[in-house]
Amino acid sequence: QKEVEQDPGPLSVPEGAIVSLNCTYSNSAFQYFMWYRQYSRKGPELLMYTYSSGNKEDGRFTAQVDKSSKYISLFIRDSQPSDSATYLCAMSAVNQGGKLIFGQGTELSVKP
Amino acid sequence: GAVVSQHPSRVICKSGTSVKIECRSLDFQATTMFWYRQFPKQSLMLMATSNEGSKATYEQGVEKDKFLINHASLTLSTLTVTSAHPEDSSFYICSARGRQLWKNTGELFFGEGSRLTVL
Repeated sequence: QKEVEQDPGPLSVPEGAIVSLNCTYSNSAFQYFMWYRQYSRKGPELLMYTYSSGNKEDGRFTAQVDKSSKYISLFIRDSQPSDSATYLCAMSAVNQGGKLIFGQGTELSVKP
Repeated sequence: GAVVSQHPSRVICKSGTSVKIECRSLDFQATTMFWYRQFPKQSLMLMATSNEGSKATYEQGVEKDKFLINHASLTLSTLTVTSAHPEDSSFYICSARGRQLWKNTGELFFGEGSRLTVL
């Protein structure tokens, strides 16, 4: 079993839709949870960062962490064609010195 | 925000040659740099962790003699793929964190990546 599981998609939605992206994990020591966006042929860029459980909102993006269920989500409201990219979840434990474990990434396409 | 510059962005080489990829932190001192490899449609896999001034720590299954990592300064780490073969063709990405950055946000900053094609 992988430490982090993420549905690779692809996921196709119409412009304006609400997008829900999810990851599950098995390591209860994970405390840092991140979502990265990666455009084709580019390096990942950080979208959201959450420490421990709870919700965090930034503009059209909301990240949720449910440590009891070992489940994290990223919601994108009013999705735009420019949101089309691969979204990767990543996690780290306090004692891992910054080492991130990534999910496989979900490929999202927002159609105009 | 912090910027990590990676060079070259794209390189094509013949089988058997060596290729060096540079990763620079432009506006912060990177105490630790990470090197990842990403195959098409797959996630990022950590190859090694390098701390400035010390030997890199390699993940299980990564050949240290093939993937040479040097972190000689607080702003530069290099990955050299020695005697490259077609199966080494991949997207290599570095990330960096500085002491202050990690304390404040826990985040890493990634380079743009280097696409290596070995013919």
